[in-house]
This record gives sequence, structure tokens and C-alpha cells, in this order.
Amino acid sequence: GAVVSQHPSRVICKSGTSVKIECRSLDFQATTMFWYRQFPKQSLMLMATSNEGSKATYEQGVEKDKFLINHASLTLSTLTVTSAHPEDSSFYICSARDLGQGGYEQYFGPGTRLTVT
Amino acid sequence: AQKVTQAQTEISVVEKEDVTLDCVYETRDTTYYLFWYKQPPSGELVFLIRRNSFDEQNEISGRYSWNFQKSTSSFNFTITASQVVDSAVYFCALDRGSTLGRLYFGRGTQLTVWP
Repeated sequence: GAVVSQHPSRVICKSGTSVKIECRSLDFQATTMFWYRQFPKQSLMLMATSNEGSKATYEQGVEKDKFLINHASLTLSTLTVTSAHPEDSSFYICSARDLGQGGYEQYFGPGTRLTVT
Repeated sequence: AQKVTQAQTEISVVEKEDVTLDCVYETRDTTYYLFWYKQPPSGELVFLIRRNSFDEQNEISGRYSWNFQKSTSSFNFTITASQVVDSAVYFCALDRGSTLGRLYFGRGTQLTVWP
């Protein structure tokens, strides 16, 4: 099956610094990738939809300037948390749609656990 | 508006018991997809099943079975003869079926299977 990787799997950073999380589709092309955030014992909340070659579409309440998304190629999307604060600590998960499967199959990365100290 | 409700926040069973996880959804779309995902403590989402709105056939896969009923907007998941390894959070999700592809997740049900 299709594989989506995320890097890093865990990251600890100091308050005020920026962190970049990569999401890659390893064996398929994905024009659309999604970024979710999950707080402990809560559901996944969609943050933004990332489209290759265009600006990301953010969900209401998500700060565009704080969570920068870049989808430079059909296999890579990045999420940069700028000027991170402890409240940004969360589990970030990306997903990608496989065009080869008619676009309906969606595959999730293993997630990145961000801790801001 | 799209909405997925998993009313059961936590369920505890003893090994070998059968357990059903409930999922009720809301959508005005005629074409949509329903999913179940398993999230073990490691955090990675494991895909279990996808069902489109035109296929109401129940599905069985080993100890897992799914009951899709459009009349009640429900897509319930049953684990037969549960095992400790089934302990995880289970999410039901809805995809509108458009090329947008965003998933609407329920709040999840934490299943704990005791030995």
C-alpha cells in the first residue's frame, strides 16, 4: 500500500523558535495533502489543505502566519510552526491522497509529536 | 454541514467479549464515504475500512464487521472475540466524496480490552 512518511517523528524546541515538519508520499503522487492537529485524548482537527503549486487553504481559526505550509512538489509538503509556544505542543499528522486510486484513498503519516518548552 | 458523532467516549471489555462501536453521521450529500481508523498508543492511524454511500452491504473482515445503515445514518463497527491488542482509540470519519477530500472525524472511542 501507499506510504506517507513524516519527519521528524518527535521534536522538542524552545519557546520562540521555529520548527519544520516534512510530509512525504513515498510511492505515489499527491496533489493534495492535509495537515491535522491532535491534542491529547481529542480528535483530529484539520488545520489546512495543502495543494501542490498553490497556497494552502486554512481552516477557520488557524493562524496562517504561524503555521506556514508549503507544497513544493507532488510528494512533499512542509508545515513550519513559527515562533512556537507551549500551547503549540501537539501531535501533528499529515495525510495525502493517492491520485492513482481515483483520489479517494487517503493515507496518513505516522505523526510528529511537538513539544515546546 | 458534516458531522460525525461517536457517543461512546470509553469502552472497557474483557478479552473474548464482543464489542460494538457506534458511529452516527450527518451530511446532505448523496455521495460520501465513511471510514474507520484505529489509533494505537503509538499514534499512527491505521486504516480499517472505507465504505461509499451507495454500498450498504455489511462487511466482515476476520473478527471485524461493519454495519452500514443509511436509514439511521449509522456505520457501526463490531469486534468479535476482542483481544488485548485491540485496545486503541477508534475513529469514524466522513469524506464528502468531492475532490477536496477532507475528512470529518468523530471524537473517537477509547477501547480497552482487559486480559
